[in-house]
Amino acid sequence: GAVVSQHPSRVICKSGTSVKIECRSLDFQATTMFWYRQFPKQSLMLMATSNEGSKATYEQGVEKDKFLINHASLTLSTLTVTSAHPEDSSFYICSAKLGHPQETQYFGPGTRLLVL
Amino acid sequence: GQNIDQPTEMTATEGAIVQINCTYQTSGFNGLFWYQQHAGEAPTFLSYNVLDGLEEKGRFSSFLSRSKGYSYLLLKELQMKDSASYLCAVMDSNYQLIWGAGTKLIIKP
Repeated sequence: GAVVSQHPSRVICKSGTSVKIECRSLDFQATTMFWYRQFPKQSLMLMATSNEGSKATYEQGVEKDKFLINHASLTLSTLTVTSAHPEDSSFYICSAKLGHPQETQYFGPGTRLLVL
Repeated sequence: GQNIDQPTEMTATEGAIVQINCTYQTSGFNGLFWYQQHAGEAPTFLSYNVLDGLEEKGRFSSFLSRSKGYSYLLLKELQMKDSASYLCAVMDSNYQLIWGAGTKLIIKP
């Protein structure tokens, strides 16, 4: 199956700093990548959808200036949490899929962010 | 509105069979996915149904009835490692995935 990686897997940072998370599709070209957030014991929450070379589409309630998404190539998308605060501590997961809209989404292993 | 319903938690015995149900109401339908998520890990893909009927894949099977807005995931010969959350997700007419809250499956020896 398709492999998606994320880096870093875990990050601890001080309040006010910015954190960048990378998502890569390793063995396929992903025209669309998704960023999710999951709080403990809660379901996945879609934050944004990004297509290569265009601006990300954010879900309602997600601040685009706080969560910067860059989908620079068909294999790489980055999420930058700017001026992180303790309430941003969460499990961030990316997923990617091939070109056809009905394609399966394959998930990266996730990044656990802890903001002190 | 769009809605996916699945039980919050289920308990089953090692070696037994368990069926996890999912009902949905969405704007259009382009397929239904089941994912498995172990605690602290990202979801992994299990199955995809877009036509009515049963899809079998080893110990796991998934069933779909589009007219009833209903699917189930059937797990046979349960193993302790099957303890996880099982997520039902429906792709709507805009090819957006609508996620259920997940069913936590607890396997007891």
